[in-house]
Amino acid sequence: QVQLQQWGAGLLKPSETLSLTCAVYGGSFSGFYWSWIRQTPGKGLEWIGDINHRGSTNYNPSLKSRVTMSVDTSKNRFSLTLTSVSTADTAVYFCARRDYTLDYWGQGTLVTVSS
Amino acid sequence: VLTQSPDTLSLSPGERATLSCRASQSVASRYLAWYQQKPGQAPRLLIYGASSRAAGIPDRFSGSGSGTDFTLTISTLEPEDFAVYYCHQYSNSPWTFGRGTKVEIK
Repeated sequence: QVQLQQWGAGLLKPSETLSLTCAVYGGSFSGFYWSWIRQTPGKGLEWIGDINHRGSTNYNPSLKSRVTMSVDTSKNRFSLTLTSVSTADTAVYFCARRDYTLDYWGQGTLVTVSS
Repeated sequence: VLTQSPDTLSLSPGERATLSCRASQSVASRYLAWYQQKPGQAPRLLIYGASSRAAGIPDRFSGSGSGTDFTLTISTLEPEDFAVYYCHQYSNSPWTFGRGTKVEIK
């Protein structure tokens, strides 16, 4: 059974950098893309980007200038970095496995940006 | 852009639910999925490829459609089916989601 467990800082100040990590347990790490998605009451679900085990990425153009994703295949983990956060980045962030569609999800992390 | 309708569907257990998802451009190769989300939980995959049920999903859930018009049908609502449902296209980058349809108890 595939499980994704995610963690990271939940409270940030404007202009700081958001960092989240997602660990994958069970199943293969290679052969899939690994995704980050966020959810806000205002904009709903928003795809942030994907990364595969080789480090090949695909980012949402709306966030591309601030997003970096990385992968650690030795630990079956992948990470998200979002720079220069503002209150508009307050959201629940999810990690997920992409096997064409998003089939396994992490539990979600609430990230609040507030001064 | 994926437009879901209606925003809210008020139904009773045992009734049939029909949810719509319309895309602003054609979704190729039926790369359309449906998710169910309950409060405080991550979305759960129900349907992929427009009409294929994910593992463990009851057969009361069915998906149909192609091109720009897709439908999720719940044949007979069970108490645990009252939730928010999202469609998601993974055909044209950036991948996008609809705003959701809330199925609530009447």
